[in-house]
Amino acid sequence: SQQGEEDPQALSIQEGENATMNCSYKTSINNLQWYRQNSGRGLVHLILIRSNEREKHSGRLRVTLDTSKKSSSLLITASRAADTASYFCATVLDVTGTASKLTFGTGTRLQVTL
Amino acid sequence: DVKVTQSSRYLVKRTGEKVFLECVQDMDHENMFWYRQDPGLGLRLIYFSYDVKMKEKGDIPEGYSVSREKKERFSLILESASTNQTSMYLCASCSRTNEQYFGPGTRLTVT
Repeated sequence: SQQGEEDPQALSIQEGENATMNCSYKTSINNLQWYRQNSGRGLVHLILIRSNEREKHSGRLRVTLDTSKKSSSLLITASRAADTASYFCATVLDVTGTASKLTFGTGTRLQVTL
Repeated sequence: DVKVTQSSRYLVKRTGEKVFLECVQDMDHENMFWYRQDPGLGLRLIYFSYDVKMKEKGDIPEGYSVSREKKERFSLILESASTNQTSMYLCASCSRTNEQYFGPGTRLTVT
């Protein structure tokens, strides 16, 4: 079952602009993660934000988390053509027990043009 | 850097064949995962393993089995491949901080 839903499904911007992607989820979480996938490749972990955090930065990436609205956003500032990829949010419900399963959304396809 | 490798990038098999997809990680991670990825459906968890010889079903285990004989290796087995198992298969291992590291994927076509 899908836990995270990204919005928009596709986004096209010009190089230098900012890109914002949103993720909504359904149940309480322990943490939320964002991943990036270049076409035909595996996913690469970008950033993790815990349920008690509201904002986190990593280079040109900024992630926010609003647990009251069950939503997160990923902002990529000053985008580059190399940022063209699909971006997925993934939620972890529970870190106790056997393993921390991630539940992925369906992703946002970002196209950055020159 | 963590490295997760998968045995094949592309694979073509016939309906009814038994298919083995191998995944190896080099970071001594305890947890390993198999996903399939299909357009419009995102990544769906097939099976995961939290220790050698331990396994748990994910969201879509039907038609699949797994094997974890060694910590670094997690195999996905399609007992009798069917056309609806044509997909991209992604393996991942998980660090203690919950970050998952993915392999490059195997694009399987069943004809």
